[in-house]
Parts: sequence; structure tokens; C-alpha cells
Amino acid sequence: EVQLVESGGGLVQPGGSLRLSCAASGFTFSGYWMHWVRQVPGKGLVWVSRINSDGSSTSYADSVKGRFTISRDNAKNTLYLQMNSLRAEDTALYYCARSLSSRSSNDYWGQGTLVTVSS
Amino acid sequence: DIQMTQSPSSLSASVGDRVTITCRASQSINFYLNWYQQKPGKAPNLLIYTASNLQSGVPSRFSGSGSGTDFTLTISSLQPEDFATYYCQQSYSTLYTFGQGTKLEIK
Repeated sequence: EVQLVESGGGLVQPGGSLRLSCAASGFTFSGYWMHWVRQVPGKGLVWVSRINSDGSSTSYADSVKGRFTISRDNAKNTLYLQMNSLRAEDTALYYCARSLSSRSSNDYWGQGTLVTVSS
Repeated sequence: DIQMTQSPSSLSASVGDRVTITCRASQSINFYLNWYQQKPGKAPNLLIYTASNLQSGVPSRFSGSGSGTDFTLTISSLQPEDFATYYCQQSYSTLYTFGQGTKLEIK
């Protein structure tokens, strides 16, 4: 069974940092591209970032570019999102999701981890 | 970035109704359009990929069509479990983007 389990969310002050993790199981992690998508509670989905299967290529939404870094450890079947210079508007539920390749849909999602940026 | 615009933003319908949701891209995305269903407190669930392909396990009352800039999601006969929020997503660009969502409510 495919499972994606996010962790690392919590309360952080503006300007602070946080690292999210997404532990994958039930599939060949190194064969999939991985994404982060966020959602303010009660609002819509916003795509954040993606990384290709071997970690050599990354992309970011303009709103997080230069502040967030996506990475992966295929030996540990884990995806990461390092979030620096956090702002109140980064407050959201963060989901990880997989896709088979570039231009593929996100066929499995985790349940999300909540990040709250507040003083 | 490619902008995705869904309509309507909300919709009231009854069990058994046929419902159509539309999604328009700000530029051609070929057929790289996906549809998701999200229920409160749950992660999104993939329904349709590349415009018209039904994801495994999704009921056949869901269908998708379109190419280029204009796409539709149709539910042929609404069931009680279909009341949820629906999102389109373009995966043509390096930077994926979602529509703003369509909330489907019980009339």
C-alpha cells in the first residue's frame, strides 16, 4: 500500500525556519517525482515545489522561491522541504504528493502537516 | 505562470443530477489537465488525469473532456458521496497550478 506521511510542522515565529519531512513507503520512491502542495484551511490548493526522481532538478512557485528548498534522500525514502524566512502567509497545511514523471498528475497524497507562522 | 480559472465557484445540485464543472487555462496546456476531489479534513483524491483518463477505482459516473485551454468535468448522476470540492490542475508547465476550486453542495 502506498503511504506518504508528513511530519515536522508546528508553530514558528516570523523569520524562522522549519524542515518538513515526508516518509514514503509501499512503492519505489526513487522512481517518482515528488511535490509539495499547501492549503490554508478553508481555502484552495496551491502548488509549492517539485523534485525529480534523482534529485537533480527542482522547481518552485514564485511565492517561495529563494526561501524554500526541496530535497530528497532516496536511500531513506524521504522527501524534505526546508522552509526559511517564514512569513505569516506561509501558514498552511502542507501535503506531499507523488507523480510518475514530469507532466504527470499527483496520484497519491499524504494527509498533511500544519505549519503556523505567528508571533 | 499559467492561470487556471474554474466555474462556477460553487454549485447546488440534487442527488441524481448531471453536473458539469469547467476549467479554463490562460494558455494552451494541450491535454495536461487533472481533476481532484477533496472532502473536508481529507487530502485531495485524483479523479481524472490528462483531461479524460479515469483514475483507477474512480466511479464511471465521472468523466472529463477538453484540450488546449478549455476543459470540463462531468458527473453523470450525482451520488451523496460526491458532495465535495473539486479542483482542476495543469501539469503542462514546470510550475503546476490549480484552479480555485468548485464547491458542490446539496440543494
